[in-house]
Amino acid sequence: GAVVSQHPSRVICKSGTSVKIECRSLDFQATTMFWYRQFPKQSLMLMATSNEGSKATYEQGVEKDKFLINHASLTLSTLTVTSAHPEDSSFYICSARTPGQNTEAFFGQGTRLTVV
Amino acid sequence: GDSVTQMEGPVTLSEEAFLTINCTYTATGYPSLFWYVQYPGEGLQLLLKATKADDKGSNKGFEATYRKETTSFHLEKGSVQVSDSAVYFCALSVLEYGNKLVFGAGTILRVKS
Repeated sequence: GAVVSQHPSRVICKSGTSVKIECRSLDFQATTMFWYRQFPKQSLMLMATSNEGSKATYEQGVEKDKFLINHASLTLSTLTVTSAHPEDSSFYICSARTPGQNTEAFFGQGTRLTVV
Repeated sequence: GDSVTQMEGPVTLSEEAFLTINCTYTATGYPSLFWYVQYPGEGLQLLLKATKADDKGSNKGFEATYRKETTSFHLEKGSVQVSDSAVYFCALSVLEYGNKLVFGAGTILRVKS
């Protein structure tokens, strides 16, 4: 199946700094990518939908200025957590779907962010 | 809004036992339904899907039938193995709403030998 690569897999940063997470579709072009946040023992919460060449669509309650999403090409989307705080510590997962209706979504391995 | 409700876990079974994980949904459009699995230390993988009513998705011995009348998509397997231990997520997507996936809370399955 298609491969989605997410980097880094783990990152520790200090409070107040920014962290960038990359999501790449390795063998297909993804016009749309999705960013999720997963809390311990909980489900994936959709944060935003990233559209190539346009602004991301954020879900209700997600701070656009804190979670900056850029989808500059058909194979790369980035999530930048700005001015991170300990409450931003979480597991972030990206996903991309192959073009078409009802297609399979492929997930990155996730990024464990710890803000100290 | 659209939502997915799964039975709470963890579910603990002995090897070769029968598995059912319940999943019900609410959706404003006509959803496609999915089961995803997350093995320890790995990302999510699609297990099976169904795109219209009465469709049955199946893979690796797992099955789920799209029941529109009961808005359900229960996951079943006749004989589980230790290697099936994982977290299982039921999900839906509606094309009209950007094809984004809405997940249930996930159900932890533990299979003991």
